[in-house]
Amino acid sequence: TQLLEQSPQFLSIQEGENLTVYCNSSSVFSSLQWYRQEPGEGPVLLVTVVTGGEVKKLKRLTFQFGDARKDSSLHITAAQPGDTGLYLCAGSKKTSYDKVIFGPGTSLSVIP
Amino acid sequence: GAVVSQHPSRVICKSGTSVKIECRSLDFQATTMFWYRQFPKQSLMLMATSNEGSKATYEQGVEKDKFLINHASLTLSTLTVTSAHPEDSSFYICSPREGGSTDTQYFGPGTRLTVL
Repeated sequence: TQLLEQSPQFLSIQEGENLTVYCNSSSVFSSLQWYRQEPGEGPVLLVTVVTGGEVKKLKRLTFQFGDARKDSSLHITAAQPGDTGLYLCAGSKKTSYDKVIFGPGTSLSVIP
Repeated sequence: GAVVSQHPSRVICKSGTSVKIECRSLDFQATTMFWYRQFPKQSLMLMATSNEGSKATYEQGVEKDKFLINHASLTLSTLTVTSAHPEDSSFYICSPREGGSTDTQYFGPGTRLTVL
């Protein structure tokens, strides 16, 4: 059973379009992270959200943590080819070692 | 951000041999080390967690005798894939964390293992 679900799994859009990626779970997380990964490289942390309802902005990226801390969204405005990559949400729970569990990922392709 | 290195970045080996992957945290001390595996077009799957000086805790379905983890120091952890088989071919990523759950978990650049 996947603890975290992401949708869509694949997304191909034209440069300049907006998009939203969703991360959902039936579990409550103490914090949730968004990562971006390029082929052959490790994931790079984009943001960490910890408070229910929290909204964080990183240039053209807007991240929101659900009020119940079970879901999150990533919105990209005016997507650019450089945004192409695998976007992963990951959650931490108050369990032994507080390990980070990853969602299945959303593969984004921005076409020039 | 913190610097994490993995060596080798790519390795090709014959079936039946063992491969050791090193993970180093270059500018901080990693109290906890997480090892992940990633198959093509899939997400990262946690394999095991270790604290410095302690035995690793393995996730369900991960064979501890096949994937040997050593976390002997605060800056170095190793993952040894013993008697590798083609199905072990994957992208292995280490993730050191300096302290408790509020500390950032960094990721290494990954090691691509191909078993022939």
